[in-house]
Amino acid sequence: EIVMTQSPATLSVSPGERATLSCRASQSVRSNLVWYQQKPGQAPRLLIYGASTRATGIPARFSGSGSGTEFTLTISSLQSEDFAVYYCQQYNNWPPYTFGQGTKLEIK
Amino acid sequence: QVRLQESGPGLVKPSQTLSLTCTVSGGSISSGAYYWTWIRQHPGKGLEWIGYIYYSGSTYYNPSLKSRVTISVDTSKNHFSLKLSSVTAADTAVYYCAREHSSPQGGWFDPWGQGTLVTVSS
Repeated sequence: EIVMTQSPATLSVSPGERATLSCRASQSVRSNLVWYQQKPGQAPRLLIYGASTRATGIPARFSGSGSGTEFTLTISSLQSEDFAVYYCQQYNNWPPYTFGQGTKLEIK
Repeated sequence: QVRLQESGPGLVKPSQTLSLTCTVSGGSISSGAYYWTWIRQHPGKGLEWIGYIYYSGSTYYNPSLKSRVTISVDTSKNHFSLKLSSVTAADTAVYYCAREHSSPQGGWFDPWGQGTLVTVSS
C-alpha cells in the first residue's frame, strides 16, 4: 500500500499571500495524483487531477505540480474561501486508493 | 448535474451490519462511463477508500476491509449500496458515496455525496 504524507499538518498564511502545500508518496505514483479541498461539515471537493490539471470550475489561482514521489499544491493569492483542509490522493497503485492525512490551511 | 445522496441508519450496534444506500440523480449509473465508490472518514481524521462498483456489478474492495464489505448496485433504482458486517466502534465514521472518474491507471472522485455519520454503539 502506498503511503501518502502531507506537510505541514497546519499552515498559517495571510489572505492575499501564497500558500504551498506538499504531498509525498512512499513510492512513485508518476503523475497519478489528485488534490481535494474540504471545508468543515462538507464533502471533499475535487481541485486537481493528473497532478496538474484543474478540475472544471476551479480558479486559476490553484495549481498543482510534481511527479514521482513529490507533489505541490500552490494557491497563488489566498482568498477567504480557501481556508480549509487539503488532501492528496494517489491512483497509481491500487487497491487501495490512498489519501494523505491532510493539511489544514488557516488564517494567519 | 449529477448529485449523490447517502441514506441509512445513523446508529448501528456492535457486531451488526451497517447498510447504506447512495441514490444518484441527474445521471444514470448504467451509462457505463464511471465507477461508483464508497469512502469513509473517521471523526477528525483522514479519508479511507472502501471500494467501488461498476454498473455491471463488478467490484473492487480495499483489502483491509474486503472480508466485511459488500457493494451492490440496482440500476433500476439508480442507486448503489454498501454493507459492512461485524462492525465495531472503529467503524464509526462519516460515510461518503462518490462517482469515480477512471483513467487507465485508476481514478479520482467527483462529485461526492454530502456524507452521512454512522455511529457504532450499543
